[in-house]
Amino acid sequence: DTAVSQTPKYLVTQMGNDKSIKCEQNLGHDTMYWYKQDSKKFLKIMFSYNNKELIINETVPNRFSPKSPDKAHLNLHINSLELGDSAVYFCASSSRGREVDGKYFGPGTRLTVT
Amino acid sequence: QKEVEQDPGPLSVPEGAIVSLNCTYSNSAFQYFMWYRQYSRKGPELLMYTYSSGNKEDGRFTAQVDKSSKYISLFIRDSQPSDSATYLCAMWVGNMLTFGGGTRLMVKP
Repeated sequence: DTAVSQTPKYLVTQMGNDKSIKCEQNLGHDTMYWYKQDSKKFLKIMFSYNNKELIINETVPNRFSPKSPDKAHLNLHINSLELGDSAVYFCASSSRGREVDGKYFGPGTRLTVT
Repeated sequence: QKEVEQDPGPLSVPEGAIVSLNCTYSNSAFQYFMWYRQYSRKGPELLMYTYSSGNKEDGRFTAQVDKSSKYISLFIRDSQPSDSATYLCAMWVGNMLTFGGGTRLMVKP
């Protein structure tokens, strides 16, 4: 199926640990994003990559480091996890210049830090 | 004050009702106005988008934009239980898409 996929779907971990979330899209899009959705459902952009280049880097702690090995993949590594990192993280993709056609979101990774 | 404001609800309506969901915004530079639907434990999916002031219809859904009032609406006719979800408005300018906080809608059979 053509889609945006993320792994893992659920992630429960302790404070101070390091974890990674992986994202892949097979829609042929050239732009990928990481969003964070808090408990109040606010979706905030964290990073955006276009053709493996970082183009948006919102005010995010440098414990968060995105990596895009190719334009179909965007991973998110989080160091020294904190309680406030608990949220749902969504990966999304789109074609640059055609964002109005919609960003395609993955199913989300529900991160719980204890 | 957030750039895009949306009542979180929940909004509970009986099946068949007309639903009105609304957002206000402060940035007059926003060019495109979108509505996303998010089912529980799923990612948001684009429902429809509009560019200019006025109405745009797609089946049971009508999106309305009033740029002079900085106000957008989504109307759902003949609402169905399957419409139960969180509806997020989103607005785009440049390379940034700004989301509202979403309104949770429950359509009861």
